[in-house]
Amino acid sequence: EAQVTQNPRYLITVTGKKLTVTCSQNMNHEYMSWYRQDPGLGLRQIYYSMNVEVTDKGDVPEGYKVSRKEKRNFPLILESPSPNQTSLYFCASSLSWTAFNSPLHFGNGTRLTVT
Amino acid sequence: GENVEQHPSTLSVQEGDSAVIKCTYSDSASNYFPWYKQELGKGPQLIIDIRSNVGEKKDQRIAVTLNKTAKHFSLHITETQPEDSAVYFCAASGSPFLTGGGNKLTFGTGTQLKVEL
Repeated sequence: EAQVTQNPRYLITVTGKKLTVTCSQNMNHEYMSWYRQDPGLGLRQIYYSMNVEVTDKGDVPEGYKVSRKEKRNFPLILESPSPNQTSLYFCASSLSWTAFNSPLHFGNGTRLTVT
Repeated sequence: GENVEQHPSTLSVQEGDSAVIKCTYSDSASNYFPWYKQELGKGPQLIIDIRSNVGEKKDQRIAVTLNKTAKHFSLHITETQPEDSAVYFCAASGSPFLTGGGNKLTFGTGTQLKVEL
């Protein structure tokens, strides 16, 4: 089944403890992106990647890192999490980096709580 | 950059009634407008989209209209059913060649639709 898989689904951690949220897609998609969803703010882009080894900042990149060593994987790294990073995170992918031709497919989300 | 406003934030309708969600965007260069449905515990899923060269698009009970002059677009759901209950997001995207942001979508803040029996 074609899908975007995120792990873990739920994560509770403490301030300053490094964590990684994994994202993997099995559709051979070029484009991958991370979003965070907060009440009243909708979905905001954190980072994106147009292809292997090509990443760039979205609208809210502070406090996050990403890497794209393989086409299928796009992990989100929080080196020193803070409470304001408590949020619902979504990984998404699309076949191409042009929106016209390839809709975004989303994972089921990771709910992160930083205390 | 692009700014997308979405209204209402919550919408409650009776089963069988119609529901309308409206969005406005700021960047006149935006040319792709998808709508996503997010069910509880899941990620958003594309339900319909419209491109700037089209004024209206329909798919069974859902339709989207676009007014480029006024920079607004709307989602219409007819004959609503309980399974339509979800959060709906509109989004807008400009040319990736101009924005440099690839497949970048700017999302609205979401509408919680509740269809009551």
